[in-house]
Amino acid sequence: GENVEQHPSTLSVQEGDSAVIKCTYSDSASNYFPWYKQELGKRPQLIIDIRSNVGEKKDQRIAVTLNKTAKHFSLHITETQPEDSAVYFCAVYSGNTGKLIFGQGTTLQVKP
Amino acid sequence: DARVTQTPRHKVTEMGQEVTMRCQPILGHNTVFWYRQTMMQGLELLAYFRNRAPLDDSGMPKDRFSAEMPDATLATLKIQPSEPRDSAVYFCASGLQASSGNTIYFGEGSWLTVV
Repeated sequence: GENVEQHPSTLSVQEGDSAVIKCTYSDSASNYFPWYKQELGKRPQLIIDIRSNVGEKKDQRIAVTLNKTAKHFSLHITETQPEDSAVYFCAVYSGNTGKLIFGQGTTLQVKP
Repeated sequence: DARVTQTPRHKVTEMGQEVTMRCQPILGHNTVFWYRQTMMQGLELLAYFRNRAPLDDSGMPKDRFSAEMPDATLATLKIQPSEPRDSAVYFCASGLQASSGNTIYFGEGSWLTVV
């Protein structure tokens, strides 16, 4: 069955430093990999996504890399700011089943 | 500004009572997901629909939970009877299905407390 592992579960960085969150998945039919940011008491919101025919995508300070062979993908946040503090979720979409399965989440704290 | 609408936003109920949560997906979206989240934990997939047909509800406790989509503008998640362990935030999300994956958008969530 589908499985998504996300690491680390918590991450604390100093403002201005970079943050990296990694996810691995098991379903080789997975072809879409979004990342969501959830602030306390709010709904998850999409921040960036990548499809299986692309190895890297960047949007200002955030980027995502995908290694389909190794079945892992990562979120990179550069020049972190206190407002980046939130819980980040990776997700994996299976083209076979249509399911969107989420990782366990990473709580990011950016210290001023 | 199109958005997924969920009701109720907050619900406190007594153990044993029936709870019904409703979701209006974004107009034109053909895929609807129900997720459960406890104490800022992960998002647990309960059930999902495509073109109103249930595709998978294996994540849902069958004895007390049921999910339906009576029409394209309404999805429901029902718990009967409710138990304290059902206390959680229930998110509905919708998207436009594509073979290469689709962006899904979350509603604000229904915050359920069972006492």
